[in-house]
Amino acid sequence: RKEVEQDPGPFNVPEGATVAFNCTYSNSASQSFFWYRQDCRKEPKLLMSVYSSGNEDGRFTAQLNRASQYISLLIRDSKLSDSATYLCVVNMRGRDDKIIFGKGTRLHILP
Amino acid sequence: GAVVSQHPSWVICKSGTSVKIECRSLDFQATTMFWYRQFPKQSLMLMATSNEGSKATYEQGVEKDKFLINHASLTLSTLTVTSAHPEDSSFYICSARTYGLLTQYFGPGTRLTVL
Repeated sequence: RKEVEQDPGPFNVPEGATVAFNCTYSNSASQSFFWYRQDCRKEPKLLMSVYSSGNEDGRFTAQLNRASQYISLLIRDSKLSDSATYLCVVNMRGRDDKIIFGKGTRLHILP
Repeated sequence: GAVVSQHPSWVICKSGTSVKIECRSLDFQATTMFWYRQFPKQSLMLMATSNEGSKATYEQGVEKDKFLINHASLTLSTLTVTSAHPEDSSFYICSARTYGLLTQYFGPGTRLTVL
């Protein structure tokens, strides 16, 4: 099982719709979780951290399910500018501080 | 948010030459810096992790003698691709974080093309 797994997509979604991505991780010792977005030929940019209680930032909601070892990202009222690749990032602290990126989920918002 | 710069943003070089890429944290002290490589339509691949003043820790399969990393100060890390070959052509991205925080801030990347 891959350490961090995401559906590569692409997700083609009409503007204004709600879209959700999931990401699963294999190591239960994982401690911190993030969603980044990456535009084509650009560097990843932090979208939001993911907290155990779930957190919301405007149209974006992130949730963590430790028991099932997955995190999710929900985008409401999607905009054309939301088109990007969304990267799930998992950080495992410990003797070896490892940061693992998922391969990303591509999202295309259609006008 | 924190700002990380990279220089150069793109470089074209001949096979066999060496290329140095700089990564700077502009408004915070980067106790840890990471170097990634990304091939087209692929995910980010971590190459190495460097803590200021220490030797870099390389990921499995990354040749430390080919990819020289120096993190001599809290605001600067360099990656030198020695004797570059066409297969080293890629998008190289650094990221940085400060002590006690987990969030990484990424540089804008350096696109390397080796002819």
